[in-house]
Amino acid sequence: AQKVTQAQTEISVVEKEDVTLDCVYETRDTTYYLFWYKQPPSGELVFLIRRNSFDEQNEISGRYSWNFQKSTSSFNFTITASQVVDSAVYFCALSEARYGGATNKLIFGTGTLLAVQP
Amino acid sequence: GAGVSQSPSNKVTEKGKDVELRCDPISGHTALYWYRQSLGQGLEFLIYFQGNSAPDKSGLPSDRFSAERTGGSVSTLTIQRTQQEDSAVYLCASSWGGGALEQFFGPGTRLTVL
Repeated sequence: AQKVTQAQTEISVVEKEDVTLDCVYETRDTTYYLFWYKQPPSGELVFLIRRNSFDEQNEISGRYSWNFQKSTSSFNFTITASQVVDSAVYFCALSEARYGGATNKLIFGTGTLLAVQP
Repeated sequence: GAGVSQSPSNKVTEKGKDVELRCDPISGHTALYWYRQSLGQGLEFLIYFQGNSAPDKSGLPSDRFSAERTGGSVSTLTIQRTQQEDSAVYLCASSWGGGALEQFFGPGTRLTVL
């Protein structure tokens, strides 16, 4: 069965601190995709990144970086020099990589609420 | 361009009534998903439409829930004889096609069943 675990329910940091959000996943598939989404107080889920299981290169986008480690089934997300606008709930998600009409639904973790204090 | 839109944004109904929730996906997106977000269950998949294929209804929690997609575009999620446990935010997402592509989400419909 597929499962995503985000053990950190809430994290509070002060602006300019670095923060890492943990994500651990379970799947029997050899090919799969991992995602991070941000849900700000407005409620709309915003796509941040998609990574396939064959690409273990870390990725950096501005203040955001992602560390994918297949050996530990983890896909952690780091925000450098956090800002108040980063305050949101962050979701990690897993999807099968099935084709031919199969559903590629997202299996979400329970989310981590990040509060960045000024 | 325009994102995924959903209506209404809020719906309050009485237990036992039927409700219809609407989703307009991004133009050109062939895949459409419905999810539900509630405090107790988190974010859970409900149903998936892809092109002209039969929908995947495996996530629908009961036969009171149904959905259709007309003309490969607009989708309607219907909940019959609503119960209090149906109270949640119903999210619609669309993507360019099948495969594990990024899904773009709408703002959701907050359903409250009294």
